[in-house]
Amino acid sequence: QVQLVESGGGLVNPGGSLRLSCAASGFTFSDYYMSWVRQAPGKGLEWVSCISSSGSTIYYADSVRGRFTISRDNAKNSLFLQMNSLRAEDAAVYYCARAGSAWDFDYWGQGTLVTVST
Amino acid sequence: QSALTQPASVSGSPGQSITISCTGTSSDVGSYNLVSWYQQHPGKAPKLMIYEGSKRPSGVSNRFSGSKSGNTASLTISGLQAEDEADYSCCSYAGSRTYVFGTGTKVTVL
Repeated sequence: QVQLVESGGGLVNPGGSLRLSCAASGFTFSDYYMSWVRQAPGKGLEWVSCISSSGSTIYYADSVRGRFTISRDNAKNSLFLQMNSLRAEDAAVYYCARAGSAWDFDYWGQGTLVTVST
Repeated sequence: QSALTQPASVSGSPGQSITISCTGTSSDVGSYNLVSWYQQHPGKAPKLMIYEGSKRPSGVSNRFSGSKSGNTASLTISGLQAEDEADYSCCSYAGSRTYVFGTGTKVTVL
């Protein structure tokens, strides 16, 4: 069965950096686009970034462009999100999600919590 | 991209039908028949309930249905059950592999 397991969340100071990882299993990882979606406490979902199956094409939400970098390692079935210059408004649960064939998100991880605070 | 607009809350009694609206613009909901809906129970990951506006993934109850008219998509839950109490979010493809989510709706079963 499809499994996505995020890790790497934690407490970081404003202006700091954090690298999130997502370990995928149960499907051919290299066949799928992948995305990161976040949810601030008590708020709605927000799409963050998407990467093509080969990693050659990348897209970002305006709110994170220039500060976050998405990447993947198909040999290790892993997705990453490097987050730099973190702000209080970046605090959220970050979900790794598989992009379905119909431009949706058909499988999600359990999420990893990022807290930005002094 | 601004978030799609959903009502903050919708409630209904067991057995009733409820509808959640999701209003976007001609750049997202209105341009693509690619609206998806997600159910999220407290502390859990979202679950895909509807894709391509009206299609159900395998295993999702046929009590859930989706539709779209113009810039507004809708999710209808018929025969409301206690287990349907959750948060529901819409999402629309917005071009160039970007997406916009809705503000989210809390469904309460009375």
